[in-house]
Formats: sequence, structure tokens, C-alpha cells
Amino acid sequence: DSGVTQTPKHLITATGQRVTLRCSPRSGDLSVYWYQQSLDQGLQFLIQYYNGEERAKGNILERFSAQQFPDLHSELNLSSLELGDSALYFCASSATWGGPDTQYFGPGTRLTVL
Amino acid sequence: AQTVTQSQPEMSVQEAETVTLSCTYDTSENNYYLFWYKQPPSRQMILVIRQEAYKQQNATENRFSVNFQKAAKSFSLKISDSQLGDTAMYFCAFMAFRSSNTGKLIFGQGTTLQVKP
Repeated sequence: DSGVTQTPKHLITATGQRVTLRCSPRSGDLSVYWYQQSLDQGLQFLIQYYNGEERAKGNILERFSAQQFPDLHSELNLSSLELGDSALYFCASSATWGGPDTQYFGPGTRLTVL
Repeated sequence: AQTVTQSQPEMSVQEAETVTLSCTYDTSENNYYLFWYKQPPSRQMILVIRQEAYKQQNATENRFSVNFQKAAKSFSLKISDSQLGDTAMYFCAFMAFRSSNTGKLIFGQGTTLQVKP
């Protein structure tokens, strides 16, 4: 158990809908990262937050957004869902930002768009 | 841009034997770390080992060790005394720091390893 929690574990929804994925980092970690794992794209970095502020963006679609709250939990919002958004979404956390911190991953949320 | 390449999509090994997974990377960054993560059938991403690029000494963690060749930009993982629980997909990953790419883990395509009894 990495100490990173993600809810829900599974999510099934329809095209055009909006969903929210939630992540709680390890105790004491200030950085949160979101990754997408799909069959065709592999594991891709989406976005990173440090202590409530966005620090880095990857190949995140305009339909996707995220935020980190004062209690350090983070939410990834996916809207106007398409079939291709079906994937495993991971949250990871690390102690700080800017240094060589190891990222610890949560169990993931499996999103299925029908 | 950084890229990570794992050229072996699938590998198998007999229990108790040794296996080496290959990884190469390309970067212009000076400060970076390299990682191997394991993803068993449960899909959990588990850190196996990490290597600081500025260290010449290869990292080891129990049965897992790496062969880091900085000039060749090669970072292979050796698993000794393979166990059935080692069956998983293994991802090589790169992370720069002290740069605009700080914190972004760049993953290879993965190598599926099956340990046979």
C-alpha cells in the first residue's frame, strides 16, 4: 500500500458525460500528479500540482481539468467524454516539487466510456 | 524532448533464474533520475528501484539491480532468483529535475515479464 488513495476504483459512464476522479496523497506529501494509462498511448503524464498550485502540464486535453484543494487532495475532472477517454487514471504523490522525489502511485481509477 | 524506449515487449524466465530487461533513453537534461516500476495484474504501480544519474554506482535493491550506462543512455534491470510474484509489466521511467520538465515521469512502453514455474 503506497498510502495514496483514489476513488472510485471503477467508473462506467456514457459519451458526453462528465466525471470527477478523486485522489488523496500520502500523508505529508505536497505534490500530486495525474497520469493516464491507455492501450494506444501507454502511460502519459497529464498534470502536476504542488501545494495547491499547478506546476506542470503534459498532454492534457482541454476537456480535462484538475485542481488541488487546501487539504491537498486533488480532483481530475473529465468532461464531454469520448470513447477514447476510456483508460486507467493514476494519481501519484511526492514530498516536494523541484527535487528528485520519488512518486508513489495510487491504485488507479478505471474509467470506461460506453 | 525526452523519450524512453523498451525494445522487449514480452519476456519469460524460469523460476530461480536471472533475467535482464532493457531500456534506453534520450535526453538533453543534465539532472535526472531513472526508475523501474512494476505493474502486476492488480494494476498497481510499484516502485522497484531508482538510479540517480549523477551516481556512477549502480543501484541495487535485494534481487533487483540496474546496469546504468550514462554515456550510452542505457538503463537495464536485472532480476536475480526470479520468483512467481515477479510476473508483471515493468516500466522504465525518466524524470528530470531542476528544469522546466521537473516532476514529469516519462515512461517506456513496458515489458511484460512472465516467470514460469
